[in-house]
This record gives sequence, structure tokens and C-alpha cells, in this order.
Amino acid sequence: DSGVTQTPKHLITATGQRVTLRCSPRSGDLSVYWYQQSLDQGLQFLIQYYNGEERAKGNILERFSAQQFPDLHSELNLSSLELGDSALYFCASSVIAGELFFGEGSRLTVL
Amino acid sequence: AQTVTQSQPEMSVQEAETVTLSCTYDTSENNYYLFWYKQPPSRQMILVIRQEAYKQQNATENRFSVNFQKAAKSFSLKISDSQLGDTAMYFCAFMKRGGGGSNYKLTFGKGTLLTVNP
Repeated sequence: DSGVTQTPKHLITATGQRVTLRCSPRSGDLSVYWYQQSLDQGLQFLIQYYNGEERAKGNILERFSAQQFPDLHSELNLSSLELGDSALYFCASSVIAGELFFGEGSRLTVL
Repeated sequence: AQTVTQSQPEMSVQEAETVTLSCTYDTSENNYYLFWYKQPPSRQMILVIRQEAYKQQNATENRFSVNFQKAAKSFSLKISDSQLGDTAMYFCAFMKRGGGGSNYKLTFGKGTLLTVNP
């Protein structure tokens, strides 16, 4: 158990819809990272938050957004969903350099 | 920008034998970390081993060891005495050290699917 909690584990929705994925980092970790894993793109960094502020942005679509709340949990919002958004979305947290702990992922299926 | 290349999409090995997974990377950075992560069918990303670029000594964790060649930008993973539970997708990853205070973003390779056969 990495200590990083993600919900839901599985999500099935339709094109055009909006979903929210939730992540609770390990106790004490201030940083949250979101990654997308798809068959064609592999593991792609989406965005990072540190203590409530956006710290780095990767290959995140404009239809996607994220935020980190005062209790340090984070949400990734995916809107106007397309078939190609079907993927495994990972959250990871860290407190020190070189240590990144991953949650079990949220499997999104867009039909 | 950093890139990580894993040239072996799939590999297989017999139980109890040794297998080596290859990884090369490209970066202009001098201070960084390299990692091998394992993703079994349960899909959890599990850290296998970590190497700090400034350390010349190769990292070892039980049956897992790396061959880190900084000049060649090569970072291979050796699994000794392979076990059925080692069957998984293995990802090589790069992290820049000291990236703006707390930016520890990972760049991953495409992965190598390792199957351990009984």
C-alpha cells in the first residue's frame, strides 16, 4: 500500500460527459502529480500541484483541469469527454526528491 | 526535454534464470535520478529500484540490480533468479534533480512487458 488513495477505481461514461477523479496523497506529502496512461501514448505527465498551487504542467488538454484543496487532496476534472480519453489516470505524491508514490489508478472508459 | 527509450517491447525468461532489461535516455542535465518501476496486472506502479546519477556505484535491491553507464546514458535492469511474480510491465523513468524546489516530475519510457515462464 503506497498510502496514496484514488477514487473511483473504475468509471464508465459517455462521450461529451464530465467526470471528476479524486486523489488523497500520503500523509505529509504536499505535492500531487497526475499522470495519464494510455496504450498509444504510454505514461504522460499531466499536471503537478504543490501545497495548493499549480507547479508544473505537462501534456494536459484544455478540457482537463485540476486543483488541490487546503486538505491537500486533489481532483482532476475531465470534460467534454472523447473516446480517446479512455485511459488509466494515476495520482502520485512526494515529499522528498527521488521518491514518488503512486495510487492504484482510476480506470476511465468513455463509450 | 528528456527522453527515455526502452527498445524491448516484450521479453520472456524462464523461472530462476536471469534477464536484463535495457533503457537509454537523453538529457542535458547532470543531476538526476533514474528509476525502474514495475506494473503488474494489478496495475499498481511499484518502485523497483532507484539510482542517483552522481553515485557511481550501481544500485541493488535484493534480486534487482542496475548497470548505470552515465557517459553512455544507459540504465539497464538485471533481475536474478526470476520468479513468476516478476511478470509485469517494467518502466524506466527519469527525474531531474532539484527541479525548481519541489518539481519531481517523472518522464517514462514506453515499457517492457516481461513474462516469467514456469
